[in-house]
Amino acid sequence: DAGVIQSPRHEVTEMGQEVTLRCKPISGHNSLFWYRQTMMRGLELLIYFNNNVPIDDSGMPEDRFSAKMPNASFSTLKIQPSEPRDSAVYFCASSLGGAGSSPLHFGNGTRLTVT
Amino acid sequence: SQQGEEDPQALSIQEGENATMNCSYKTSINNLQWYRQNSGRGLVHLILIRSNEREKHSGRLRVTLDTSKKSSSLLITASRAADTASYFCATVGVSGGGADGLTFGKGTHLIIQP
Repeated sequence: DAGVIQSPRHEVTEMGQEVTLRCKPISGHNSLFWYRQTMMRGLELLIYFNNNVPIDDSGMPEDRFSAKMPNASFSTLKIQPSEPRDSAVYFCASSLGGAGSSPLHFGNGTRLTVT
Repeated sequence: SQQGEEDPQALSIQEGENATMNCSYKTSINNLQWYRQNSGRGLVHLILIRSNEREKHSGRLRVTLDTSKKSSSLLITASRAADTASYFCATVGVSGGGADGLTFGKGTHLIIQP
């Protein structure tokens, strides 16, 4: 079991550029979560999917953020256009069943720096 | 929304000592989970305690839950240098279905001095 795989591990981009973060959940897990972590705000839940369907995107900060899960083994989080305040570590996590009953398995994150 | 708050924010102890971290939350929960995060890595699940449980053990970890006080504690016994990490509690509310997202506190940064 390779665990949750995120790419890239680091991303440095200029303000205004499009950024795409990728996630491959653990095979067989049917829930997928995107979190953002900063020193100021801690871990924030951005969006989660169940069986590839977005269930709650109320944590997505604004329309510049979008997430997709075209199939059970792949998800993307896109920021367009990016801004310096988007700089953070973005984590993807998956679980077997919902977080209410199953632990989350996290990837090692993508550290995004927007200059 | 649910949110655990860990206390203290930072804790430094000597290797071999016990470390206790606390978590408080605001409203009723289905369960409470504890996670560890090593620097530069993702969070790792440690233990899940359900609202009808009062205490749970896993190796050197002991978690208690007091739903009347809306609080939980994580005790690490006989600490080791490798326990140096940030520790987070996370909650899912009673209204949440199986696919609800966990809400995390800001964590306790634990440093074990060799």
